[in-house]
Amino acid sequence: SQTIHQWPATLVQPVGSPLSLECTVEGTSNPNLYWYRQAAGRGLQLLFYSVGIGQISSEVPQNLSASRPQDRQFILSSKKLLLSDSGFYLCAWSVPARGGLETQYFGPGTRLLVL
Amino acid sequence: TQLLEQSPQFLSIQEGENLTVYCNSSSVFSSLQWYRQEPGEGPVLLVTVVTGGEVKKLKRLTFQFGDARKDSSLHITAAQPGDTGLYLCAGESTRSEKLVFGKGTKLTVNP
Repeated sequence: SQTIHQWPATLVQPVGSPLSLECTVEGTSNPNLYWYRQAAGRGLQLLFYSVGIGQISSEVPQNLSASRPQDRQFILSSKKLLLSDSGFYLCAWSVPARGGLETQYFGPGTRLLVL
Repeated sequence: TQLLEQSPQFLSIQEGENLTVYCNSSSVFSSLQWYRQEPGEGPVLLVTVVTGGEVKKLKRLTFQFGDARKDSSLHITAAQPGDTGLYLCAGESTRSEKLVFGKGTKLTVNP
């Protein structure tokens, strides 16, 4: 069966510090991978998605970046955090379905607080 | 930009009551999904509806996709405290095949 892991679960960082959040998927190959941010328990905002190693698409301009160094590893980074980067970060995966429906499966999330 | 509006934003009811939450858009979606999210966890998929007018039932939950594939509703019968959570709808964009999420309805069922 497939599983998705995120760490850390909770992170408190000062403004201006760097960030690295990691997401890994087990039990599937060549998944589509996604990073979302959710503010105050509300809707999900798509930040990045990836259809393969080294292939990253950015949905929202910001001081965050994403990388996919391995097939089932997705990393969210920042060189200098802002207060507005606080939120709940969710990683998700899906099986690519050309022209069809994809179901996304979410990880447990990382709660980031920037002070 | 395709947007999904969910209503109500917050709903607090007593155990045993029935409720309906809505997900509306001016845009057509290829499909629509409903997720439930508990505090501190990721969303979990409940159902996917694909065909206009489609109705799906999951125990006490009934999901309907509008005939024009622009809106959807979730009806819960005899709500229980375990139904408490954030209910999110997500539409598959006809333009990009990516999911567009609504802001959710936060449901609290009091015992």
